[in-house]
Amino acid sequence: SQQGEEDPQALSIQEGENATMNCSYKTSINNLQWYRQNSGRGLVHLILIRSNEREKHSGRLRVTLDTSKKSSSLLITASRAADTASYFCATAGGSQGNLIFGKGTKLSVKP
Amino acid sequence: NAGVTQTPKFQVLKTGQSMTLQCAQDMNHEYMSWYRQDPGMGLRLIHYSVGAGITDQGEVPNGYNVSRSTTEDFPLRLLSAAPSQTSVYFCASSYILQGRDSPLHFGNGTRLTVT
Repeated sequence: SQQGEEDPQALSIQEGENATMNCSYKTSINNLQWYRQNSGRGLVHLILIRSNEREKHSGRLRVTLDTSKKSSSLLITASRAADTASYFCATAGGSQGNLIFGKGTKLSVKP
Repeated sequence: NAGVTQTPKFQVLKTGQSMTLQCAQDMNHEYMSWYRQDPGMGLRLIHYSVGAGITDQGEVPNGYNVSRSTTEDFPLRLLSAAPSQTSVYFCASSYILQGRDSPLHFGNGTRLTVT
């Protein structure tokens, strides 16, 4: 069962543009995490935002969280070709708090 | 630090064969888990462990066994491979913190094909 659902499924932009990806989830959370996956590789953790935080920054990444709407967004500013990857949101679910991942947004940044 | 190491990287099995996917981490993480990734399905949790000697089922455990005899290792066993188990398998580990605030560290995956 998917907890997080990313939108859009795919996004194609030019280098230098900003990329925004959205994530919606269903149940209450302690935190929401974003991960990146380059083709043929494992996922890499990008940023974690706690349920009592509304916005968080890390370099060119900006994450927002709206718990009333059960949604989050990931903004990548001034995108680069190297940002081409799939991006996943994940939330802790179940009694053990295992991370449940959405299906991801595939970002393509054209040079 | 090697992080999370998975072996093999690629494997082809015939239906009915068994095999073990290896996972080792050198970060002294208590929590370890196995996910499978299929096109259009995202990642789904197979099994997980919160410490040596403790394992539990995730969302899609059927056809898989795990054990955790040491903190470092968490092998995944396919008992009798089926074509439906063709997938990319990821092992991931983390510390166990209150509120699950610890990010997962992933291996680079094992690509399994069952014919």
